[in-house]
Amino acid sequence: GDSVTQMEGPVTLSEEAFLTINCTYTATGYPSLFWYVQYPGEGLQLLLKATKADDKGSNKGFEATYRKETTSFHLEKGSVQVSDSAVYFCAPGGGADGLTFGKGTHLIIQP
Amino acid sequence: DAEITQSPRHKITETGRQVTLACHQTWNHNNMFWYRQDLGHGLRLIHYSYGVQDTNKGEVSDGYSVSRSNTEDLPLTLESAASSQTSVYFCASSAGTGGTNEQFFGPGTRLTVL
Repeated sequence: GDSVTQMEGPVTLSEEAFLTINCTYTATGYPSLFWYVQYPGEGLQLLLKATKADDKGSNKGFEATYRKETTSFHLEKGSVQVSDSAVYFCAPGGGADGLTFGKGTHLIIQP
Repeated sequence: DAEITQSPRHKITETGRQVTLACHQTWNHNNMFWYRQDLGHGLRLIHYSYGVQDTNKGEVSDGYSVSRSNTEDLPLTLESAASSQTSVYFCASSAGTGGTNEQFFGPGTRLTVL
């Protein structure tokens, strides 16, 4: 089945720093790829997605590009804010049972 | 606005008791999912449903059951609660078949089994 590898963290950065959270996956075929974010005490919400190779998803200053050749979907943001502190999940989708989530990366942004 | 709700938000129960967690969505989505979230494991799929009367086992289905009698609800039942089932449970729904559509998540239920 599908699987996802992402750093678990915690990843601690200072405000305005550049962020990269790596995500690599194994999947059958060419699934859609998603990044979800979970703020403290809340459920997951979609951050961005890409549905085919070379697509770039973007939202709230975050970006990720669907790299078929490296089976990767790394999340980036040029200047993080304290409000970006959360847990981020990478998830390929397309299988019969929906999405496969990574273990999540805990991001802490310090002022 | 459409939404997905879960109840209760917090539950404490004893080992061996039957527990049912409710999930209700007003998106009119065909697909519904139950996950559990544990430190170091991320989200793991328990059960899912692609429509009324349809249910399927996920990665960690032992000790859990679901039933789908209408589009809006997918209750999750722990037949005989165990301490290993202490976790945060999330319900989600999506519109289309397969995994190409966004899943919308509920706020979660924190379950403690003593």
